[in-house]
Amino acid sequence: GAGVSQSPSNKVTEKGKDVELRCDPISGHTALYWYRQRLGQGLEFLIYFQGNSAPDKSGLPSDRFSAERTGESVSTLTIQRTQQEDSAVYLCASSLERRWRETQYFGPGTRLLVL
Amino acid sequence: DQQVKQNSPSLSVQEGRISILNCDYTNSMFDYFLWYKKYPAEGPTFLISISSIKDKNEDGRFTVFLNKSAKHLSLHIVPSQPGDSAVYFCAASTRDSNYQLIWGAGTKLIIKP
Repeated sequence: GAGVSQSPSNKVTEKGKDVELRCDPISGHTALYWYRQRLGQGLEFLIYFQGNSAPDKSGLPSDRFSAERTGESVSTLTIQRTQQEDSAVYLCASSLERRWRETQYFGPGTRLLVL
Repeated sequence: DQQVKQNSPSLSVQEGRISILNCDYTNSMFDYFLWYKKYPAEGPTFLISISSIKDKNEDGRFTVFLNKSAKHLSLHIVPSQPGDSAVYFCAASTRDSNYQLIWGAGTKLIIKP
């Protein structure tokens, strides 16, 4: 079956522009996560969605970052007024549900470069 | 403050030998640990996990060891194969935060033919 897909795979933008990143989770997965990985660092949790519950936004680094998810399907991560420090790989993952030890399945990521 | 540390950015091992990847953590509340493997241009994929009630978990060529007193875990790959060349991430979680994984920075493993 299809895995998690993300688009675009690469994005180059100018400082100050807005960008929108898309994630298509595995069908039937109710939980969806966004992470950021800066060069040479581990994955940094950004936001989490579980079904129709309110998302956990505790990892979002600033109010320039926002994310939406329609039901249990596609999610978009939006970064407004991009800054150079936003350059990173943005990874999306999904899992069957929010539960301890539930395996997360990752997409290939979107590589964002802010010039 | 890094709660999960992988102090070796890279490791080179001869094919057929044992690869040992290390991970240290500072939060004694962590009770579940995972290793993920990542190839270039792909997302991480789950490899093996261990609960804090165990000190060893084995799956084929992969074994994870947990030393709670030292707050240290390691991943052993025996024998190492060329396809094992990848970046390996250690991650940890607590039952109270059952979906938030805290990740190490990764170790790049290179298997030499």
